Amino acid sequence: DTEVTQTPKHLVMGMTNKKSLKCEQHMGHRAMYWYKQKAKKPPELMFVYSYEKLSINESVPSRFSPECPNSSLLNLHLHALQPEDSALYLCASSQTPEREQETQYFGPGTRLLVL
Amino acid sequence: AQSVTQLGSHVSVSEGALVLLRCNYSSSVPPYLFWYVQYPNQGLQLLLKYTSAATLVKGINGFEAEFKKSETSFHLTKPSAHMSDAAEYFCAVRLQRGYNKLIFGAGTRLAVHP
Repeated sequence: DTEVTQTPKHLVMGMTNKKSLKCEQHMGHRAMYWYKQKAKKPPELMFVYSYEKLSINESVPSRFSPECPNSSLLNLHLHALQPEDSALYLCASSQTPEREQETQYFGPGTRLLVL
Repeated sequence: AQSVTQLGSHVSVSEGALVLLRCNYSSSVPPYLFWYVQYPNQGLQLLLKYTSAATLVKGINGFEAEFKKSETSFHLTKPSAHMSDAAEYFCAVRLQRGYNKLIFGAGTRLAVHP
């Protein structure tokens, strides 16, 4: 099973709201990723967790706060977002973070609309 | 710095025709290259990847890609297009050892018409 699940599928929030995106995998993968994908654009890496520790933050604004409570779960906490943050947020995982040929498996994404 | 360039943001083919999606890479070291497909309103699915084991890589759904070092290319092909192949296709390169990051090309939207 190579499934990464994400909830919710869709999210509409106001600029003053606090919400969270959830990502889960049960493949025993030790690397998990958050990507942001604007319409008609490729995914852009936001964060990488390796062995449940944040290893890469691609200069993402602090209104996005990632969390990795355990090896299967990845959250993205959202607070005081801007309309330009509206996008598809993709989670991915890979078996290990070290091997370059590792496949990243993507979830279906959460489509976020900020009003 | 490593990067990929996808030539052609839109490609249109007839059902049954050859599919050719172009990807050129830039890398000072042997690259790890990937092709992903994204159907509307879905996440990305791996089609195939090049890991230096073989230059001709076969993937899912009848797709294959050939790594050509002399041309710095990794073009994706399928002999006969099916309507269900209509999607967005992304070529990606894995950054050098120690930096766990995929760099995606801009994407190519494939349309298949009857």
